[in-house]
Amino acid sequence: SQQGEEDPQALSIQEGENATMNCSYKTSINNLQWYRQNSGRGLVHLILIRSNEREKHSGRLRVTLDTSKKSSSLLITASRAADTASYFCATDAADSSYKLIFGSGTRLLVRP
Amino acid sequence: DAGVIQSPRHEVTEMGQEVTLRCKPISGHNSLFWYRQTMMRGLELLIYFNNNVPIDDSGMPEDRFSAKMPNASFSTLKIQPSEPRDSAVYFCASSPGTGDGYTFGSGTRLTVV
Repeated sequence: SQQGEEDPQALSIQEGENATMNCSYKTSINNLQWYRQNSGRGLVHLILIRSNEREKHSGRLRVTLDTSKKSSSLLITASRAADTASYFCATDAADSSYKLIFGSGTRLLVRP
Repeated sequence: DAGVIQSPRHEVTEMGQEVTLRCKPISGHNSLFWYRQTMMRGLELLIYFNNNVPIDDSGMPEDRFSAKMPNASFSTLKIQPSEPRDSAVYFCASSPGTGDGYTFGSGTRLTVV
């Protein structure tokens, strides 16, 4: 079963614009992670935010977490054509199972 | 570090044949995970190991699937007999421990005809 659900399913923007992707989940979590997948490749870990954190930055990435709403957002600023990929959120449920459950992903297209 | 290494990259097999997928995790990572990705079902966790011990195999679809981790540097996922609906990309991932980010391999694209 999928824990996280991303919104929107697909996003098309112009290079230089910001891209925002949202993730909602159902159960309490230890942490939430975002991954990128280029077509035909494996997933690449982008950023991890723990349940006691509200915001985290890494380069052009900004992640927020609202545990009261069980939601997270990933913001990519000043997007580049190379950012074109699918982006997945994944949750590490707080049930001591220590396994990541992935959402269905957002397909981002950055037009040059 | 060469990352998580999976083999083969591509596998085409006939229905009913046995398929073995292989994974070498990053040295020092204690946790290993097998995922399957399809367009219809997305990324599904099949099984994960901690310190070479299977912890949760509730995602394994049926008895045709089995996974082993005989040592810290090697794991296999076996499908016997294979069926067309097993066609998917199978990913192996490892992490240093619980609550850490995963490093994924490049995947094995399996086609069962």
